[in-house]
Amino acid sequence: SQELEQSPQSLIVQEGKNLTINCTSSKTLYGLYWYKQKYGEGLIFLMMLQKGGEEKSHEKITAKLDEKKQQSSLHITASQPSHAGIYLCGAAYSGSARQLTFGSGTQLTVLP
Amino acid sequence: DTGVSQNPRHKITKRGQNVTFRCDPISEHNRLYWYRQTLGQGPEFLTYFQNEAQLEKSRLLSDRFSAERPKGSFSTLEIQRTEQGDSAMYLCASSRRDSEQFFGPGTRLTVL
Repeated sequence: SQELEQSPQSLIVQEGKNLTINCTSSKTLYGLYWYKQKYGEGLIFLMMLQKGGEEKSHEKITAKLDEKKQQSSLHITASQPSHAGIYLCGAAYSGSARQLTFGSGTQLTVLP
Repeated sequence: DTGVSQNPRHKITKRGQNVTFRCDPISEHNRLYWYRQTLGQGPEFLTYFQNEAQLEKSRLLSDRFSAERPKGSFSTLEIQRTEQGDSAMYLCASSRRDSEQFFGPGTRLTVL
């Protein structure tokens, strides 16, 4: 979707390295959701951010929401092969989070 | 919590045939969503139910597509007179009101 831009499109890192994926919206965000997808499978929910400046962490994954920039970042510390997959950000633009608009995803490869 | 389930997982059909997919949401979730995902893209919203009522439909949902959710439990998505452009992964998700959406494994449709 042009409303939601993800970068980079693909990322190859060595195991143990840190990495960041960005998601930028052209419209005001009501909420921002991060998902992970293995090829050919469904989406796995990671985190939901709703307030400007909000930051959430789960294991080695941290996500932040910058309300001024309408941007979210997903940071993985000390990457592992298990982190490999497609990371998708999804935006809610209405006051009631019904349909999500997704970015085109970031393909992450972690080399052992 | 058994998660969202979808059947079948794969469907191969010939152009012009009708197909039907089924989604069983997480039992206490009153919202159910259908998305379509093509290769290299994020999911695109198709339609949304709150209980048995279909409340939103995307422009992507042409007259050949119909979705139902009788009794507010499972949902079916039917595509009539399939076209090669209908080939995609069809994803179902469910949620509580204004909460994160949990996705099923998807149904991959191939139209020959």
